[in-house]
Amino acid sequence: QKEVEQDPGPLSVPEGAIVSLNCTYSNSAFQYFMWYRQYSRKGPELLMYTYSSGNKEDGRFTAQVDKSSKYISLFIRDSQPSDSATYLCAPWDTGRRALTFGSGTRLQVQP
Amino acid sequence: DSGVTQTPKHLITATGQRVTLRCSPRSGDLSVYWYQQSLDQGLQFLIQYYNGEERAKGNILERFSAQQFPDLHSELNLSSLELGDSALYFCASSPSPGTGELFFGEGSRLTVL
Repeated sequence: QKEVEQDPGPLSVPEGAIVSLNCTYSNSAFQYFMWYRQYSRKGPELLMYTYSSGNKEDGRFTAQVDKSSKYISLFIRDSQPSDSATYLCAPWDTGRRALTFGSGTRLQVQP
Repeated sequence: DSGVTQTPKHLITATGQRVTLRCSPRSGDLSVYWYQQSLDQGLQFLIQYYNGEERAKGNILERFSAQQFPDLHSELNLSSLELGDSALYFCASSPSPGTGELFFGEGSRLTVL
């Protein structure tokens, strides 16, 4: 079993839709929960992160972590074609000093 | 532009050969990470350096090695290459070694024939 499980998609939505991207994890040592976005043929870029459980909002993006159920979510409001990319959840293990990436969910926002 | 520079962008070589991938971190970042991205394994952590010293090791094969030089640039050496080593190799740097806030380069695409 992988430490971080993520539905690979692809997920196709119309412009303006609310998108929900999710991950589950098994390692209780994870403390920071990052979301990276990767456009085709580019390196991943950090979108946002949360520390421990709770919500964090940044513009159209909201990250949510529920440590009791080991569930990570990213919500995108008013999705735009420019949001079309692969989204990777990546918890940070402070003990191992490493990110463990999910396999990524490919999102396509149709104009 | 993340500020992390990787060379070469593309590399084609044969099985059994050795290659070196180079990374220049963002100005001021002391931590450098190497990741491998393949279709079947996703992004896998290989190794981390902080100010010239190895800090953490992931799923790095014995045929692979890395180092970080005094000017903070890093090199990843891949030897006795196999077909399965074909992948995208990313370097990332971080302003802080403890939070997972990484800035990735655009990667070096290695094809082993």
